[in-house]
Amino acid sequence: AQKVTQAQTEISVVEKEDVTLDCVYETRDTTYYLFWYKQPPSGELVFLIRRNSFDEQNEISGRYSWNFQKSTSSFNFTITASQVVDSAVYFCALSEMKTSYDKVIFGPGTSLSVIP
Amino acid sequence: DAGVIQSPRHEVTEMGQEVTLRCKPISGHDYLFWYRQTMMRGLELLIYFNNNVPIDDSGMPEDRFSAKMPNASFSTLKIQPSEPRDSAVYFCASSFLGEHQPQHFGDGTRLSIL
Repeated sequence: AQKVTQAQTEISVVEKEDVTLDCVYETRDTTYYLFWYKQPPSGELVFLIRRNSFDEQNEISGRYSWNFQKSTSSFNFTITASQVVDSAVYFCALSEMKTSYDKVIFGPGTSLSVIP
Repeated sequence: DAGVIQSPRHEVTEMGQEVTLRCKPISGHDYLFWYRQTMMRGLELLIYFNNNVPIDDSGMPEDRFSAKMPNASFSTLKIQPSEPRDSAVYFCASSFLGEHQPQHFGDGTRLSIL
């Protein structure tokens, strides 16, 4: 069975600090996709990134970066120089290739508060 | 481009009443998903459609819940009769077919059953 663990329930940082959100997943498949979504206080879910299991290159997008390590089944998300607008709940998610559609298993989420 | 549109944004109703939630997916998307989000259970997939056909409704909690997709641009999730434990935020999402494309979510419907 697939599973996504986000051990950090809540994190608080002061603005401009860097913060890393952890994500550990479990799957028996060798081919799968990983996602990060952001849910700001307004409530909508916003897609951030998709990564397939064959692509272990780290990705950077502005202040956001993602570190995918297959050996430890982790897909961590780092925000550099955090800003108040980064305050949100962040979900890591997993989707296995063997399924015929995008059934996505979401982690429990990490609530990030960036304090001015 | 318009995103996934859900209505209403908020719904407050009394126990026993019928509740209908509506969703318009992004044009051209092949898949439509209904999720429920609660503090206790997080995000749960209730049902999904492929090309308007329900494929997997194993997440629907009870027979009180039903979903339809009469055409490619509209879906409903109905609860009849509603109960206080149905209170949650209900999200609709849609995606393209293939390669596990990211799902695009609507703003959600916050449902409160009194």
